[in-house]
Amino acid sequence: AQSVTQPDIHITVSEGASLELRCNYSYGATPYLFWYVQSPGQGLQLLLKYFSGDTLVQGIKGFEAEFKRSQSSFNLRKPSVHWSDAAEYFCAVGANNAGNMLTFGGGTRLMVKP
Amino acid sequence: GAVVSQHPSWVICKSGTSVKIECRSLDFQATTMFWYRQFPKQSLMLMATSNEGSKATYEQGVEKDKFLINHASLTLSTLTVTSAHPEDSSFYICSVKRVYEQFFGPGTRLTVL
Repeated sequence: AQSVTQPDIHITVSEGASLELRCNYSYGATPYLFWYVQSPGQGLQLLLKYFSGDTLVQGIKGFEAEFKRSQSSFNLRKPSVHWSDAAEYFCAVGANNAGNMLTFGGGTRLMVKP
Repeated sequence: GAVVSQHPSWVICKSGTSVKIECRSLDFQATTMFWYRQFPKQSLMLMATSNEGSKATYEQGVEKDKFLINHASLTLSTLTVTSAHPEDSSFYICSVKRVYEQFFGPGTRLTVL
């Protein structure tokens, strides 16, 4: 069974500082990996995804993530955080089969200090 | 991607009543949709997989008679919470499956008094 761990429940960074959100997964084969962002009371917006190929993937809003197979990680990064980035971030792993069920991590709440 | 809508965006109902939530795929014909539940400050938990023209597949621990899912067309899936109770209060989110991705609706906040 697949699983996802986001070790940091809350993270606070200053505006303009760099950001890294951690994500570790467990899956028997090469997974499909996703990062989503959720603002309060809203649905999920896809930031980026990894299926195969280049292990450094670029997403929207200046985010990027790097797939590291040896560490079973898919950490999300942004070089300079904006106040509007404050939200909940979810890492998810999808099975690479027809069912394509998604398993979500517990989420990381990002707060941005002015 | 795919554009997904949900209706209503929020609903308040009395205990014992039933509530229907609609999930529409606006620009894509969706064979498969998913229903999730999210409690405050928690992650999304998959409730069921909705397949067009067939019965939904429920996750372990989800009462199929409590949460009725109908996927009668390629653009609409509905979730009916029957005889709702306060513990059913939650944020319900649907998603549309497109190849290996899922596109999410904006969610429905259900409050049962």
